[in-house]
Amino acid sequence: GQNIDQPTEMTATEGAIVQINCTYQTSGFNGLFWYQQHAGEAPTFLSYNVLDGLEEKGRFSSFLSRSKGYSYLLLKELQMKDSASYLCASMDSNYQLIWGAGTKLIIKP
Amino acid sequence: IAGITQAPTSQILAAGRRMTLRCTQDMRHNAMYWYRQDLGLGLRLIHYSNTAGTTGKGEVPDGYSVSRANTDDFPLTLASAVPSQTSVYFCASSDSRDTGELFFGEGSRLTVL
Repeated sequence: GQNIDQPTEMTATEGAIVQINCTYQTSGFNGLFWYQQHAGEAPTFLSYNVLDGLEEKGRFSSFLSRSKGYSYLLLKELQMKDSASYLCASMDSNYQLIWGAGTKLIIKP
Repeated sequence: IAGITQAPTSQILAAGRRMTLRCTQDMRHNAMYWYRQDLGLGLRLIHYSNTAGTTGKGEVPDGYSVSRANTDDFPLTLASAVPSQTSVYFCASSDSRDTGELFFGEGSRLTVL
């Protein structure tokens, strides 16, 4: 079956670095996506990886290892506004996104 | 630019009633989607449309129907609502079906009693 695993909740300190892991198992693979969702709001697109390696975009970076079925989202210089849920999604061979349940990130001052 | 507009924002509905959630986009995107989001679960695809005039079933289509008469509109209908359809519903669009960069509406919170 198809499955996306990510931690339910993480806590980090303002100004620090946090890494949110995601493992995926899908029928075929057409990319790994990360979205941010603030409480009560819509998800918004953060990043996309289809090749192995690290993609950096400002304070956020995303890493992919296709052989391990593994990705992580790295957030640097954490700010209070980064408190949100982070959703990992893998696109399968039918171009359908399979979503994880999301990781709720709590930032403490 | 509005992006994607959903209506209503929230609704309480008696079981057995018919309900249509509206979704309109102004980005001229070809693909549109309806998801439901429940606590502890990932977003689950209900129905999708790759282009105007076509629709397809997602992971959880039972009890729901959609239509795509034109590019901009993609309404979701619950023919006879049941309590298990209590959820937050998100409409989304993308330029094409093979891009995972989706743009989401603000969501419709539906409670079926």
